[in-house]
This record gives sequence, C-alpha cells and structure tokens, in this order.
Amino acid sequence: GQQLNQSPQSMFIQEGEDVSMNCTSSSIFNTWLWYKQDPGEGPVLLIALYKAGELTSNGRLTAQFGITRKDSFLNISASIPSDVGIYFCAGQPSGSRLTFGEGTQLTVNP
Amino acid sequence: ETGVTQSPTHLIKTRGQQVTLRCSSQSGHNTVSWYQQALGQGPQFIFQYYREEENGRGNFPPRFSGLQFPNYSSELNVNALELDDSALYLCASSLGGGGWNYGYTFGSGTRLTVV
Repeated sequence: GQQLNQSPQSMFIQEGEDVSMNCTSSSIFNTWLWYKQDPGEGPVLLIALYKAGELTSNGRLTAQFGITRKDSFLNISASIPSDVGIYFCAGQPSGSRLTFGEGTQLTVNP
Repeated sequence: ETGVTQSPTHLIKTRGQQVTLRCSSQSGHNTVSWYQQALGQGPQFIFQYYREEENGRGNFPPRFSGLQFPNYSSELNVNALELDDSALYLCASSLGGGGWNYGYTFGSGTRLTVV
C-alpha cells in the first residue's frame, strides 16, 4: 500500500525559531493536507494543497505541494509555545481515503 | 455551524465483547470516514460512508463494520474485540461526491481500551 515518510520524527526548538518538516511518498497524491493534533484531541486541519507546485500560507505556517506530487513540506516561522503538538501530513490520491505520515512531535522551549 | 461530535469519549471493554461508536457529521457534510489511531502512530483508514453505502475500505477485517444514517451520522461497530483494537477511533466528515472529498474535519475521537 501507499507509504508516507514524514521527517523529522521529533524536534526540540527554542521559541522564536523557524521549523521545517516534510513528507515524501512513493506514490502520487492529488491532495496534500497538514494537520496538528493536541493530546486527547482529533487532528485539526492547518493547510490543504490541491495543485502541484502550490504554495499556501496560513498565518505563520507555509506549505507547498511538490511539483512531482510525491512530496510536501510545512514551515512554521517564529515558533511560539502553543505550536507544541504533533504535526501530521496526509495525502489523498483521490476519492475516499487519507494516508497519514507517522507524525512530527514538536517541542518549543520558552 | 456544528463540528464533528463523537460519543462516547472513553470506553473500556473486555476482549471478545462488541462495541458501537457514534459520530455526528459537521453541518453540510455528507460523507463520514473512520480512522484508527494507535498510540504514537498516524491515523489508519478503516472505511468511508457516502449516501449510506460503504465507499472505500482500508485493511481491516470484516468484524469492523459501519452504518450511515439519512442524517449523515454514522456508527462504527467492532465485534469480537481484541487487545490490539485498543486505540483512538476518529471520525471525519467531509463533502463528497464524484470521487472527491473536501473539508475533511475530524472529531475528538473515542478512546477505546480493551482489557
């Protein structure tokens, strides 16, 4: 089946630093999504990308849909303590299912 | 606009028992998907329901079954529970049709523990 490789698995950064994480796939996706999950909660959608090469921002977050349609990255600028959580990429080939990466655990030290 | 609501929030069951989890979709959404998230893992797709029919299934055995009702709410049923079924079960609603799904929105999940 389709596999998503998400890296890094974890990051420990200082408040104010920028963060970058990425996902790669062996298969092509038509949609890339980035979610954040806090403990005991469901994933919350941060950014959705629907077109190869698309670069989209949401406040301090920026994500890009790779031109090959097999990768995506998420950048967070000027991190703050509330950015702490697990970030997941998810790819959607078409139709029903999302395939999730294993997540990046972000810790921000004040 | 109401979000996706799931019930119950927590549940403890004994191995071999059966469980039913419930999900109310977000207003305006017609498609419901269920995911299983083991501790420390990303969510894994179980199945999706569109217009009360199963519309895609992941690699889960037949003892995982579901229903969608005319109001687009949904149930996930798991029979013959096994210890490995312990996980966070997430429901997501979206607007689907024509092979596409938009606005995937997740509920807070049901934490199932099988002992």
